[in-house]
Amino acid sequence: AAGVIQSPRHLIKEKRETATLKCYPIPRHDTVYWYQQGPGQDPQFLISFYEKMQSDKGSIPDRFSAQQFSDYHSELNMSSLELGDSALYFCASSLTGNEQFFGPGTRLTVL
Amino acid sequence: QKEVEQNSGPLSVPEGAIASLNCTYSDRGSQSFFWYRQYSGKSPELIMSIYSNGDKEDGRFTAQLNKASQYVSLLIRDSQPSDSATYLCAVNSDTGNQFYFGTGTSLTVIP
Repeated sequence: AAGVIQSPRHLIKEKRETATLKCYPIPRHDTVYWYQQGPGQDPQFLISFYEKMQSDKGSIPDRFSAQQFSDYHSELNMSSLELGDSALYFCASSLTGNEQFFGPGTRLTVL
Repeated sequence: QKEVEQNSGPLSVPEGAIASLNCTYSDRGSQSFFWYRQYSGKSPELIMSIYSNGDKEDGRFTAQLNKASQYVSLLIRDSQPSDSATYLCAVNSDTGNQFYFGTGTSLTVIP
């Protein structure tokens, strides 16, 4: 069965640079979620989209933005990167708010 | 106070024993409850979902939900070394648009 696809899997950036993470949800899933997980921490909810509209917002910094496109893929844009942004970023998808299925994640390292 | 509370562990059980993982939540409006397993550096993997009071069994896993006590648990029977991981409890918001994760319980199954 198709799973959630995330790219890139690893990303290294310098402070103050920008980064774009991409997520391709499971086909026919209508909701996409973004999470940030620091070392030893639980996943922190950033933002979600339902049918290409933002549906909920969590602890997403103002430096970050996200959108969902007509083909349902989503992108998380991160600007003015800080050392503290180094983390695993997961995308998950679900069908109408039910079980969330996670992608493999993008490991972002900010130097 | 976090929305979802878990004992962080670590919890150690011998191979073949029953592992019991517990979770409490604060939002009485929550309707959906999930257990995820996460290996270090990997993405959370859904192992159980439960929506109504009582027990739900799937193979060696049993989820238990008590909405009156705002309590959900996961039992793992005949624990195997491969079950060693962090187990995350997740609860949806009353709007259903957001998951709240616990900090996870680290389980080690000793051969």
